[in-house]
Amino acid sequence: SQKIEQNSEALNIQEGKTATLTCNYTNYSPAYLQWYRQDPGRGPVFLLLIRENEKEKRKERLKVTFDTTLKQSLFHITASQPADSATYLCALYMDTGRRALTFGSGTRLQVQP
Amino acid sequence: DAGVIQSPRHEVTEMGQEVTLRCKPISGHDYLFWYRQTMMRGLELLIYFNNNVPIDDSGMPEDRFSAKMPNASFSTLKIQPSEPRDSAVYFCASSGRRTGELFFGEGSRLTVL
Repeated sequence: SQKIEQNSEALNIQEGKTATLTCNYTNYSPAYLQWYRQDPGRGPVFLLLIRENEKEKRKERLKVTFDTTLKQSLFHITASQPADSATYLCALYMDTGRRALTFGSGTRLQVQP
Repeated sequence: DAGVIQSPRHEVTEMGQEVTLRCKPISGHDYLFWYRQTMMRGLELLIYFNNNVPIDDSGMPEDRFSAKMPNASFSTLKIQPSEPRDSAVYFCASSGRRTGELFFGEGSRLTVL
């Protein structure tokens, strides 16, 4: 069956360090992948989109990589700040069929001052 | 634009009662999505509409759930009768494209006693 896996354990890092979050998937051939941020009690907010033919995408302190051979995406936050503490969700889209975006369960990031 | 607007933000009801959740998408967005989020199952797609027409309702858990989109600016998700296992946060999201970024509302937290 199709599965999207994100580390369910919280990631704790020190301020200023680089946070790296992982999204692995099986039995998908996604056309692209998106990352969202979700704060407690709020809806997810879009961060970045990367297509299957792109290896890397950057936006300010954020970087996403997409390895379709490994079936994995890495999400990096450089120079992390306590304000980056949130849950980060990856989501996949396949361009076959009619299904819409499918989300992973998310990884909670805690940046310590 | 005010973003995606959902109501109510919180709903507490007793088992067997009818629940109606409402959503106003961002003006001009042709796609509207209903997701449900729980700790156990994460963010699950229930149904989505394109130009007010339901496209994929394969995520709707059972016949107790129904969704409508009578016009481009309003959608409802109805649960009748409600059960305790329906307790979750229900999110509405809209997008200008099926493959584009999703704009989420703040969610409706449902508790069924």
